[in-house]
Amino acid sequence: RKEVEQDPGPFNVPEGATVAFNCTYSNSASQSFFWYRQDCRKEPKLLMSVYSSGNEDGRFTAQLNRASQYISLLIRDSKLSDSATYLCVVDLAGRSQGNLIFGKGTKLSVKP
Amino acid sequence: DTGVSQNPRHKITKRGQNVTFRCDPISEHNRLYWYRQTLGQGPEFLTYFQNEAQLEKSRLLSDRFSAERPKGSFSTLEIQRTEQGDSAMYLCASTPPGGGNSPLHFGNGTRLTVT
Repeated sequence: RKEVEQDPGPFNVPEGATVAFNCTYSNSASQSFFWYRQDCRKEPKLLMSVYSSGNEDGRFTAQLNRASQYISLLIRDSKLSDSATYLCVVDLAGRSQGNLIFGKGTKLSVKP
Repeated sequence: DTGVSQNPRHKITKRGQNVTFRCDPISEHNRLYWYRQTLGQGPEFLTYFQNEAQLEKSRLLSDRFSAERPKGSFSTLEIQRTEQGDSAMYLCASTPPGGGNSPLHFGNGTRLTVT
């Protein structure tokens, strides 16, 4: 299994659609998980942290499945402005050692 | 909070030359990270510092690459004898002190082109 793996997409969805991304990770000891958003030729920006119990921020919901070693991001009621690349980040060393590893990203394109 | 600052924004160099990039993290952020990103890929971890100590280096970081953070504040990343394969965006990020992993705050990056 690759260390942090994402479906590269692209995901092409109409406005208003619900879309979900998954990210698998290799180390069961990983403790910290994040989703970042990256616009073309810009730096990544934090979208949300992922907590064990799952968390929601407006139209965005993040979940963690430790048994299957993946995190997910659900976007409801997609907007044109949601078009971007979504990157998952995992502390692969576990125990919050600071080695934060990115997936390759999933590209989302929301169409009118 | 002025954010993470990276200089220069762009660097064009000829193969074989040395280049140095600078990163100024957010004040009082004790962890500082360097990543490299090429088109269509996620950021690849290179190294990170906690204060002035370099705690981890990726095996991607060949001996031509060296990073320093001498006083635990700003950091420099030097690439010696640049190769065309070094062309990429070099991203710096910092995180505040505290338990566990805090989210990364990125700078705008330095785009390196090796001709």
